[in-house]
Amino acid sequence: DADVTQTPRNRITKTGKRIMLECSQTKGHDRMYWYRQDPGLGLRLIYYSFDVKDINKGEISDGYSVSRQAQAKFSLSLESAIPNQTALYFCATSDFGGRGLFGELFFGEGSRLTVL
Amino acid sequence: DAKTTQPNSMESNEEEPVHLPCNHSTISGTDYIHWYRQLPSQGPEYVIHGLTSNVNNRMASLAIAEDRKSSTLILHRATLRDAAVYYCILRDAGETSGSRLTFGEGTQLTVNP
Repeated sequence: DADVTQTPRNRITKTGKRIMLECSQTKGHDRMYWYRQDPGLGLRLIYYSFDVKDINKGEISDGYSVSRQAQAKFSLSLESAIPNQTALYFCATSDFGGRGLFGELFFGEGSRLTVL
Repeated sequence: DAKTTQPNSMESNEEEPVHLPCNHSTISGTDYIHWYRQLPSQGPEYVIHGLTSNVNNRMASLAIAEDRKSSTLILHRATLRDAAVYYCILRDAGETSGSRLTFGEGTQLTVNP
């Protein structure tokens, strides 16, 4: 089983619909992230969380919200989906990376969202 | 933040060595050089990282220029499974998370049979 699991893997929806992408991890990491990948733009950070009570905006948080339900679960919501939110979304986790520690990122397999 | 520059694409033949370059002329003294790769239909995965000295692991080697303004990821014998997008990323030693890693476009490596 994958260490970082995303559901759904593929979703097609219509403009204005509310969508939730879910991420769960078995790595035991405190830190979780949501990225978005678009052709020509690389990976961009949407939100990140250092623990259950900590939520931080990333580079492109407008139009998105997140919920950290537990250490192992981090959900991304699109309250009212729009076509330019069509993208590949990745969840990732890491442990603490300071004081000489590494903090390698572990990614899920991605959730492809299409907004019509 | 210091940026990296990589070629958009490179091509190699199976079982031959591959040298993937990365320029980072504005690197600071506390920036580590990280490499990730993204296989088709998968999320990125860690490959290797280093600060000043060359590094080797089971996946690859990392050669860092003496002035640290460039580095090269070396795959000693490319396999078809190595076809992926390779990202060169700088990460400050004081950065305690992945929240400031910048994944650019990377280099698309094609491996020919």
